[in-house]
Amino acid sequence: EIVMTQSPATLSVSPGERATLSCRASQSVSSNLAWYQQKPGQAPRLLIYGASTRATGIPARFSGSGSGTEFTLTISSLQSEDFAVYYCQQYNNWPPSFTFGPGTKVDIK
Amino acid sequence: QVTLKESGPVLVKPTETLTLTCTVSGFSLSNARMGVSWIRQPPGKALEWLAHIFSNDEKSYSTSLKSRLTISKDTSKSQVVLTMTNMDPVDTATYYCARSRRDGYVFYFDYWGQGTLVTVSS
Repeated sequence: EIVMTQSPATLSVSPGERATLSCRASQSVSSNLAWYQQKPGQAPRLLIYGASTRATGIPARFSGSGSGTEFTLTISSLQSEDFAVYYCQQYNNWPPSFTFGPGTKVDIK
Repeated sequence: QVTLKESGPVLVKPTETLTLTCTVSGFSLSNARMGVSWIRQPPGKALEWLAHIFSNDEKSYSTSLKSRLTISKDTSKSQVVLTMTNMDPVDTATYYCARSRRDGYVFYFDYWGQGTLVTVSS
């Protein structure tokens, strides 16, 4: 079973600053990695899939990179609406399974 | 317009069986590039994937919960059903259904339901 870890658990950032979030898989997931944003009381929203492809309607300030076991989500200039919890998620082909990371909370510094 | 909506009991007693229904619209459960998962989130905690059903009716389950879960679908009704047996207070969570989309070998959840909070208590 693939285990996902995320760091840091909490990231304190000032508006306008850059935020870099990390996600690590216990074994290679190739590029089968997605990122989600979740705000309180809301369902998660897809940001990035295939490790680096932005989902429809996602602003260009969000970017994803990495492959294999190490992945990064970068928010180039944090806006007030970006303060939220971010989760990474992998898909493994065999046996078919999905795993989420524990999340990184981005809060206001 | 793609939508998913969860329905089921808000309160279940310990040892009871939970049955949740996800009703989808805007896509077909027979679409080869689509599937549906159930995902839960205990209050203040992280997301946990539970089960998935593919368009060809293949099913997959969380290793830790496999013995308690059953997922099924009724394509004609556009519904996916999850049953979880032997409920315990630790199973208290918001339960989401989400559509998976396959692009090549990449799978991701592009649409989510609003979630339904299920509390387990006597």
